[in-house]
Amino acid sequence: AQTVTQSQPEMSVQEAETVTLSCTYDTSESDYYLFWYKQPPSRQMILVIRQEAYKQQNATENRFSVNFQKAAKSFSLKISDSQLGDAAMYFCALIIQGAQKLVFGQGTRLTINP
Amino acid sequence: ETGVTQSPTHLIKTRGQQVTLRCSSQSGHNTVSWYQQALGQGPQFIFQYYREEENGRGNFPPRFSGLQFPNYSSELNVNALELDDSALYLCASSLNEGGEYFGPGTRLTVT
Repeated sequence: AQTVTQSQPEMSVQEAETVTLSCTYDTSESDYYLFWYKQPPSRQMILVIRQEAYKQQNATENRFSVNFQKAAKSFSLKISDSQLGDAAMYFCALIIQGAQKLVFGQGTRLTINP
Repeated sequence: ETGVTQSPTHLIKTRGQQVTLRCSSQSGHNTVSWYQQALGQGPQFIFQYYREEENGRGNFPPRFSGLQFPNYSSELNVNALELDDSALYLCASSLNEGGEYFGPGTRLTVT
């Protein structure tokens, strides 16, 4: 079975600063994908960034980047130049290649202070 | 906006009733998954449909059932509603494991 753990229920950061959200996971599989999703109060789950486990290079999407440590089973999200619109619940998720389901963590609520 | 739509937005039902939730997948996506998200929790996988066949199921009882239609839209049916079924129900469509694209969800309240 796969598990995803987000140990920070809440985080806050000043606008324009950088914040890192933590995620660890457990799986015995070698081929999988990792994701960060953002869920604002509007409830829509928005894909922020994805990482293929076979790629050593960390994924980046504009102000969002990940630190993928496969051996440590760690997948943190760094948000640079935080903006008020980044305030949301952030979920880390894992899917095994060929499997059907995303396994989500419990989420981290990110607050941006103006 | 992901192109995945769900209806209705909100729904209030009484314990013991039946409910049907609907989802239209993003254009070109042939796989639809349903997730239940209880308040303050991460989403939990209910089941997935691929080309009109159930393609995997999570730890949910048989009173949770679904359908996928030739146009890849989908329904989630829940019979004999229980108070614990109150949650946000999310539909997601995908083409491969490259990422699932979620709809806005249906908030179900069971009283």
